[in-house]
Amino acid sequence: AQKITQTQPGMFVQEKEAVTLDCTYDTSDPSYGLFWYKQPSSGEMIFLIYQGSYDQQNATEGRYSLNFQKARKSANLVISASQLGDSAMYFCAMKKHNTDKLIFGTGTRLQVFP
Amino acid sequence: GAVVSQHPSWVICKSGTSVKIECRSLDFQATTMFWYRQFPKQSLMLMATSNEGSKATYEQGVEKDKFLINHASLTLSTLTVTSAHPEDSSFYICSATKGGLAGYNEQFFGPGTRLTVL
Repeated sequence: AQKITQTQPGMFVQEKEAVTLDCTYDTSDPSYGLFWYKQPSSGEMIFLIYQGSYDQQNATEGRYSLNFQKARKSANLVISASQLGDSAMYFCAMKKHNTDKLIFGTGTRLQVFP
Repeated sequence: GAVVSQHPSWVICKSGTSVKIECRSLDFQATTMFWYRQFPKQSLMLMATSNEGSKATYEQGVEKDKFLINHASLTLSTLTVTSAHPEDSSFYICSATKGGLAGYNEQFFGPGTRLTVL
């Protein structure tokens, strides 16, 4: 069975600092995709970054980067230069090969303080 | 872009009534739409996968007679919560993909519908 684990229910970071949100996954499929989404208090899910299991390089999107360690089955999200607007829930998710279904982790609430 | 809308954004209803939630892809044709449920401070749980012109596929533990899904066109899927009860109160989110199973097909999420059953 596939599973996504986010062990940090909450994280605090000071503005302009970097923060790492942890995500580990479990799957027996050789091909899969990993996603990170941001959910502000308004509720919409905002796509941040994607990493394919066969991608050679770690994904980056602006201030977001994904620290993909395949052997450890981890896909941590790094947010550089945190901004107050980054305060939100962050969900890690996994997509199985040959399906568009997403399995979500329990989320991490990030609070950025001045 | 790829915009998905949901209507209504929030609804309050009496116990025993039925509520319909619409999910529309505004600027693309969505071959597949997904319905999720999110309880307060919890994660998104997939309820069902909806394909245009065919019956929805429900996840284990989701009552298909309780949560009726109709995917009438490539831009519209509806979720009807029948005979709603207070325990059905939740945040319902839909998403849509543009199609194909190969590679990475991003899910575009709607803004969600908050259902409160009194």
